[in-house]
Amino acid sequence: EVKLVEYGGGLVQPGASLRLSCEASGFTFSDFYMEWIRQAPGKGLEWIAASRNKANDYSTVYSASVKDRFTISRDTYKSILYLQMNTLKPEDTAIYYCARESYTTDYYYYFDYWGQGVMVTVSS
Amino acid sequence: EIVLTQSPTTMAASPGEKVTLNCLASSSVSYMNWYQQKSGASPKLWIYGTSNLASGVPNRFSGSGSGTSYSLTISSMEAEDVATYYCLQLSSYPLTFGSGTKLEIK
Repeated sequence: EVKLVEYGGGLVQPGASLRLSCEASGFTFSDFYMEWIRQAPGKGLEWIAASRNKANDYSTVYSASVKDRFTISRDTYKSILYLQMNTLKPEDTAIYYCARESYTTDYYYYFDYWGQGVMVTVSS
Repeated sequence: EIVLTQSPTTMAASPGEKVTLNCLASSSVSYMNWYQQKSGASPKLWIYGTSNLASGVPNRFSGSGSGTSYSLTISSMEAEDVATYYCLQLSSYPLTFGSGTKLEIK
């Protein structure tokens, strides 16, 4: 059974740092792209970061809103996806989800499994 | 960046009514994915590759479209379909979601 469990959220002051973790199980972690998506309170979904798979050297991609402040990484031995968040701003307040990206033989890509989400609140 | 515009923003449908949700892309995309999110829950994959239903999705749902225009259709609205539906494009970075359509029941 595929499971994704996020943790590490909390209340932090503006300018602070926080690291989120997403523990993956039930699949070969290195074979899949992994993503972070966030959702501000009462708002829609926003993709923020991707970690490609081992075949693609675990390369990373970021949205403009978090680039140069957030870093996505993996511990492939522990099957944990991380999101290091620096210089946090009030507008980073959101539920953060990790998700697995899969694809079909027709090369349709999609996020098929999501974690339960973890809340990050940035406020003084 | 490809902007996805969903319409309507909110709608209410009666049980048994046919419902169509739209997603318009600012540039052509190869296909569209749709997600269902119920209040307080994580999003669920609903439709992938424009028209393929995810596992467990009732066959009253269907997806269609191409290029810049995509839609999700419910042939006969049921109470359990109350949720917010988001479209998502993975054709180019940054990956983008539509702003969502909140579907309610009359």
